[in-house]
Amino acid sequence: EPEVTQTPSHQVTQMGQEVILRCVPISNHLYFYWYRQILGQKVEFLVSFYNNEISEKSEIFDDQFSVERPDGSNFTLKIRSTKLEDSAMYFCASSDGLAAYEQYFGPGTRLTVT
Amino acid sequence: AQKVTQAQTEISVVEKEDVTLDCVYETRDTTYYLFWYKQPPSGELVFLIRRNSFDEQNEISGRYSWNFQKSTSSFNFTITASQVVDSAVYFCALSEDLMDSNYQLIWGAGTKLIIKP
Repeated sequence: EPEVTQTPSHQVTQMGQEVILRCVPISNHLYFYWYRQILGQKVEFLVSFYNNEISEKSEIFDDQFSVERPDGSNFTLKIRSTKLEDSAMYFCASSDGLAAYEQYFGPGTRLTVT
Repeated sequence: AQKVTQAQTEISVVEKEDVTLDCVYETRDTTYYLFWYKQPPSGELVFLIRRNSFDEQNEISGRYSWNFQKSTSSFNFTITASQVVDSAVYFCALSEDLMDSNYQLIWGAGTKLIIKP
C-alpha cells in the first residue's frame, strides 16, 4: 500500500541553523501539506501546496519557513534559522485530486532545537 | 470561524469499560468533513474515520462507533469494551470544502485516553 514517507525521523540542530525536512508524498497525489505538533499540544496547520505553489499558509508559517517541490517526488520544508520554539513534530500529508480532503500522513520528523 | 473543541483533556477508565470521546465543531460551510485520528505513544497519526456533512448515518467498525449529529454540531466517538491498546491521544479534526485548493485540517486539542488493566 502506498504511503507517505518522511526523513529524517529525528533531527537535532542548534539554534540559528537551517534545517530541511523531507517528505515523499504518495506518487499520484496533488495536494501537499505540512503540520506541526509541539510536544503535548494539538496539531497545527502550517502550509498547503498545490500546482507548484502555496495555496494557504498559517500565521506560524513566517518568512523563516519555505516549502519546495524540487522534483516530481520530494516535498520539503525548510526552516532558515531555527529557534528553540521550532522544536516539534512535523508531519507531512498528501491527498489526491478526487478526494482532496482525505489526507494521508507521514510518520513525522521530530525536530529538536538546542 | 472554524473550530473544533474536545473538552475532555484526559479520560481514564478500566479495561472493558465503554468510553465516549466528545467532539464539537463550528463551521460556516454547509459542506465539510470530519475526522478522527489516533496518536499512540509512538507519535504517528493513525486515520480512523472520515465523515462528510451530508452523511449523518452513524458508523460502527468493530469496537469503534461514531455518532454524528448536525443539530448539535457533534461527532462523538465511542469505544466499546476498551482495551489497553486503545490508550492513546485521540484527535477530532474538520476540513471545509473550500474552493481555493486548500483542504487544511483544523484540529481539536485532543483527548488523552488511558485504559488501565
